[in-house]
Amino acid sequence: GAGVSQSPSNKVTEKGKDVELRCDPISGHTALYWYRQSLGQGLEFLIYFQGNSAPDKSGLPSDRFSAERTGGSVSTLTIQRTQQEDSAVYLCASSKGRGGGDEQFFGPGTRLTVL
Amino acid sequence: DQQVKQNSPSLSVQEGRISILNCDYTNSMFDYFLWYKKYPAEGPTFLISISSIKDKNEDGRFTVFLNKSAKHLSLHIVPSQPGDSAVYFCAASGTGTYKYIFGTGTRLKVLA
Repeated sequence: GAGVSQSPSNKVTEKGKDVELRCDPISGHTALYWYRQSLGQGLEFLIYFQGNSAPDKSGLPSDRFSAERTGGSVSTLTIQRTQQEDSAVYLCASSKGRGGGDEQFFGPGTRLTVL
Repeated sequence: DQQVKQNSPSLSVQEGRISILNCDYTNSMFDYFLWYKKYPAEGPTFLISISSIKDKNEDGRFTVFLNKSAKHLSLHIVPSQPGDSAVYFCAASGTGTYKYIFGTGTRLKVLA
């Protein structure tokens, strides 16, 4: 596809369950980002991947959150033992990875609801 | 610690008038600033950017102004159109980093 895709678009889960969110970046983009937007809040940086470098995990809120990027393309964000405060829209973005000022292209997001 | 701040959560403007959205930052190492627009149920889309070597960048109806000494940037939309109604986020990053810090957004409503 031409843009960033994310799946599922909506996910409802019970507290304590694990969830996996998927992101397919634009082909050829070396940088991939995950953000979270809670209700009424801005975009909270979670993690980014750049090429073969070690990911910047500085935004992950707890060790229940982890992410992988396989083969420099698809990424999966995993949340273990979900809590109600994890409810948010999770956004993925990719860019060409040219550094500061590089335009990011966002996917439509996954809306996660933890009951 | 909010490094990028958008102090106005919402703004209403009449169609045809100018919309001015403001953004302040605290980190003097930021070198690049971007504006994104977000419609409900969609991801943000890139609007316009500016680097610290400039104080103005223009693209059609959209102009971004940067005042480095005040650590302030603004987005001007003129003339405003109802289709501009969305949430606008400013974002900042520094040279050599791929990490972006986003503001909390300003919801713009353009009244017909």
